[in-house]
Amino acid sequence: GESVGLHLPTLSVQEGDNSIINCAYSNSASDYFIWYKQESGKGPQFIIDIRSNMDKRQGQRVTVLLNKTVKHLSLQIAATQPGDSAVYFCAENIGWGEDTDKLIFGTGTRLQVFP
Amino acid sequence: DGGITQSPKYLFRKEGQNVTLSCEQNLNHDAMYWYRQDPGQGLRLIYYSQIVNDFQKGDIAEGYSVSREKKESFPLTVTSAQKNPTAFYLCASSMVGAGLASGSYNEQFFGPGTRLTVL
Repeated sequence: GESVGLHLPTLSVQEGDNSIINCAYSNSASDYFIWYKQESGKGPQFIIDIRSNMDKRQGQRVTVLLNKTVKHLSLQIAATQPGDSAVYFCAENIGWGEDTDKLIFGTGTRLQVFP
Repeated sequence: DGGITQSPKYLFRKEGQNVTLSCEQNLNHDAMYWYRQDPGQGLRLIYYSQIVNDFQKGDIAEGYSVSREKKESFPLTVTSAQKNPTAFYLCASSMVGAGLASGSYNEQFFGPGTRLTVL
């Protein structure tokens, strides 16, 4: 899960296993959610998104699940690889449908993949 | 090569100095954003701009200033009034209005970031 503070929560998984990264969001009015991957010293990269009228969306090796009842979002990575090692952020979009999309970011989870 | 660039990658500033961080994009995006990232925290919005010659304050605008004289460029100045400027600064850009028309999200594309350290 995610928490406020100087130390990122860390998930350590063995190569080939599945990873599940969790995120609790705060705004019940948020209607769009995005997962970003950030490698060390780089900008975030878009992974997958989901609209609030869906509860599951699949991409290549990744699946995002949305539970609006408890305001919870998760990112599942299948067959985790060393290249998946990074910090993963969820973001709420509270401006979708308007001209500018305003993102509220979570604090991030560090994923470490070991051989 | 289309994308968004930031310079410099590393920047050192003495206390009391203003510094300007560069952000350029050739994606023909109307909207541009500046975020600040501190260790162990998510990104926080400093300023954003939807169109040339117009910009709005984000959540933590105090001590920062921006300009948007060209569509491609959105420089950020960190002024001496910013009490704790040491951080990783990220610029992003996105289309505007496509969400309304197509029902899709205006994805924000991020630059590689500038790490600012105050000495």
